[in-house]
Amino acid sequence: DPKIIQKPKYLVAVTGSEKILICEQYLGHNAMYWYRQSAKKPLEFMFSYSYQKLMDNQTASSRFQPQSSKKNHLDLQITALKPDDSATYFCASSQFRTDANTEVFFGKGTRLTVV
Amino acid sequence: GDSVTQTEGPVTVSESESLIINCTYSATSIAYPNLFWYVRYPGEGLQLLLKVITAGQKGSSRGFEATYNKETTSFHLQKASVQESDSAVYYCALGDRSTNTGKLTFGDGTVLTVKP
Repeated sequence: DPKIIQKPKYLVAVTGSEKILICEQYLGHNAMYWYRQSAKKPLEFMFSYSYQKLMDNQTASSRFQPQSSKKNHLDLQITALKPDDSATYFCASSQFRTDANTEVFFGKGTRLTVV
Repeated sequence: GDSVTQTEGPVTVSESESLIINCTYSATSIAYPNLFWYVRYPGEGLQLLLKVITAGQKGSSRGFEATYNKETTSFHLQKASVQESDSAVYYCALGDRSTNTGKLTFGDGTVLTVKP
């Protein structure tokens, strides 16, 4: 059973529109993240949340807004979509601890295409 | 900034041959790097293959191994005898032990195809 559920798996959007990418994790983790992988580029860290609070934001554009309604949810709202936003977006989670390294688990991704 | 460079794919090897996927890193803002290899099998999500958090140590999993070499800033992935089921995309990644966050810096990924 997948422990990190991302919805939808594929998404096609029109330029200028707004979409929300859904992520739920059932690993009991206290930290969640979003990564993005565009064509011909490596996976790039976007955001980290811990206990539903933003910890780190590496995304320059305010068009990308994480939303955490529950501890195990971290959705990603993208507004004013552009073709350059086309990418696969990966949700991830881990159990953040100050005294040890823990594994980061990834979902299968949402492939977004903006036309 | 921090970066990871790995063998540019695709890489094709025959079953039972040996494999090495090179990975070098630059950790300009990370005092205590952690190093990881992740793998994505067809149709699956990214999953951790192995990790090493101390320089000089070796990690191993599923017949793969990698040694964290601080002097050469390398973390090459090796396997003595690959199987067709090892066909996947392999990613080298760099983390920060001092912050322990899930913020990882990834390489481009190396597509591996193992021929029967």
